[in-house]
Amino acid sequence: GQNIDQPTEMTATEGAIVQINCTYQTSGFNGLFWYQQHAGEAPTFLSYNVLDGLEEKGRFSSFLSRSKGYSYLLLKELQMKDSASYLCALDNYGQNFVFGPGTRLSVLP
Amino acid sequence: GAVVSQHPSRVICKSGTSVKIECRSLDFQATTMFWYRQFPKQSLMLMATSNEGSKATYEQGVEKDKFLINHASLTLSTLTVASAHPEDSSFYICSAIRSNTEAFFGQGTRLTVV
Repeated sequence: GQNIDQPTEMTATEGAIVQINCTYQTSGFNGLFWYQQHAGEAPTFLSYNVLDGLEEKGRFSSFLSRSKGYSYLLLKELQMKDSASYLCALDNYGQNFVFGPGTRLSVLP
Repeated sequence: GAVVSQHPSRVICKSGTSVKIECRSLDFQATTMFWYRQFPKQSLMLMATSNEGSKATYEQGVEKDKFLINHASLTLSTLTVASAHPEDSSFYICSAIRSNTEAFFGQGTRLTVV
């Protein structure tokens, strides 16, 4: 089976940097996704990591270490609109996704 | 624009009635679609995998006679909540995978059973 863990809630200040961690146990996977989900809305794609290392995309970066079973999403220059839930998900070789519990981020002024 | 369209976005129904939710891939063919359920402040839980032209694969604990899935074409999957009850009230989301790595989600359906 697969097990994914994320912190339940995080709080950060506007303009700051926050790192949201995702740890997992799995026998294998294609890649790891990060999604952003605002309350009452469907998730939106943020990043997809297949190889170890850091993928940077604007204010958001995602890191993967397969050997450590660990990923993180880094958000820079936080804005109020970044208040949302952030979900990591394992890609089961394109067959389905297994989502982590999600981290609710609150950005304070 | 949206590549997966889900309809309706909100539905309120009386207990005991059935509700159908549609999920369409707009510009690609999806042989496989996924149906998720999300309770407040929780993550998405996979309910079933919908396969075009064959029976859906249900996750453990999901009643296939209650959550009827039909994937009649390469662009349409439907989820019917049969004889809905208040505990079925939830947020239902479909997704489809294009080219094995790009996953797109529908807008979600907020079901309230009264």
